Amino acid sequence: DVKVTQSSRYLVKRTGEKVFLECVQDMDHENMFWYRQDPGLGLRLIYFSYDVKMKEKGDIPEGYSVSREKKERFSLILESASTNQTSMYLCASSWGDGYTFGSGTRLTVV
Amino acid sequence: GESVGLHLPTLSVQEGDNSIINCAYSNSASDYFIWYKQESGKGPQFIIDIRSNMDKRQGQRVTVLLNKTVKHLSLQIAATQPGDSAVYFCAEIRGDSSYKLIFGSGTRLLVRP
Repeated sequence: DVKVTQSSRYLVKRTGEKVFLECVQDMDHENMFWYRQDPGLGLRLIYFSYDVKMKEKGDIPEGYSVSREKKERFSLILESASTNQTSMYLCASSWGDGYTFGSGTRLTVV
Repeated sequence: GESVGLHLPTLSVQEGDNSIINCAYSNSASDYFIWYKQESGKGPQFIIDIRSNMDKRQGQRVTVLLNKTVKHLSLQIAATQPGDSAVYFCAEIRGDSSYKLIFGSGTRLLVRP
């Protein structure tokens, strides 16, 4: 089975901190995605990547950046965390239209 | 004053009854649709999918219906069980080459014993 692993289940960070959320997949998928999930809003796409060192903005990229130095790893970066970035963050990988999601990282910014 | 958050639509069904969860989509260019189930503390899990050249697809205890005329998708769960309690999302992939998955806001299914 494809596994998508997010390094942390829960994180608490302070306003203004730089935050790294890490995601690793083990099936050589080319496509990787970062979503955030908020109650009543579903999953919203932040950034995605089709290949190493390649990235594209999703629907809500403001306040975030990403890094994909290796095919298996896709990092989401909050340059200066703010309280409105408190959310559940979900990573996914895909080959074609078959998606697999990680279990999520619940980030709280205080 | 206190702000009111967005409510997640909730469907409450009796164990053993059939459940129908509905979803509307907006882009007529979407050509692939997926239903996901998300249990508390977990990421979304694939349930069933359907392509736009079909109007019905059946899985184990689940059926997805697609009505392209009104851009409507439904998930039917037969003989609903307590383990079916979760949030259900429909998602679409647009008819370009980006393979971006666009999600609906979700429906919470509660199964009464």
